Amino acid sequence: QVQLQESGPGLVKPSQTLSLTCTVSGGSISSGSYYWSWIRQPAGKGLEWIGRIYTSGSTNYNPSLKSRVTISVDTSKNQFSLKLSSVTAADTAVYYCARDTAMAIDYWGQGTLVTVSS
Amino acid sequence: QSALTQPASVSGSPGQSITISCTGTSSDVGSYNLVSWYQQHPGKAPKLMIYEGSKRPSGVSNRFSGSKSGNTASLTISGLQAEDEADYYCCSYAGILWVFGGGTKLTVL
Repeated sequence: QVQLQESGPGLVKPSQTLSLTCTVSGGSISSGSYYWSWIRQPAGKGLEWIGRIYTSGSTNYNPSLKSRVTISVDTSKNQFSLKLSSVTAADTAVYYCARDTAMAIDYWGQGTLVTVSS
Repeated sequence: QSALTQPASVSGSPGQSITISCTGTSSDVGSYNLVSWYQQHPGKAPKLMIYEGSKRPSGVSNRFSGSKSGNTASLTISGLQAEDEADYYCCSYAGILWVFGGGTKLTVL
């Protein structure tokens, strides 16, 4: 069974770039027709889809974040990554990585809290 | 792209049935048969309960069912159990992105 684990700094300063990595285990990130997504959830609020990447490297981003988001994949490490630039306090949230079958988001990481504060 | 509209809260007694609605537009729920539902307990990651509107992943109880009519999707939970108390989110494909609902808190009385 596939498992996902987020990693990265839990504290980022305003105006800097948030960087997170998701390590996939239990299967190759390159096998099957899957996308790999990032989703976030501010404390006490709902879910917001950030974007996704296919193993070919093609990406889709939420238009509301597109100018600040980059998602990349490293198939040799079975990882994919998120970079969100020019962060503000509004970007403070739990960030989840997940597998996207193009029909649903079926496997999720446990989530990692990122706080934007000086 | 606006979030899908869900009621903020619903409640029911053990054994009863409840339905959570999810209203979108002709650009998302109404255009694609790609509505999914997620259950989230406090401090936990969301869990997929329904996909493609009405399909259940392996291991999900058949007490959970989904449907869609026009721009509105629905999740029905029958035979409510205490463990069903959680937040529920709907999600729809919208052409180039996934859009989520604001979430519904289910309280089992």
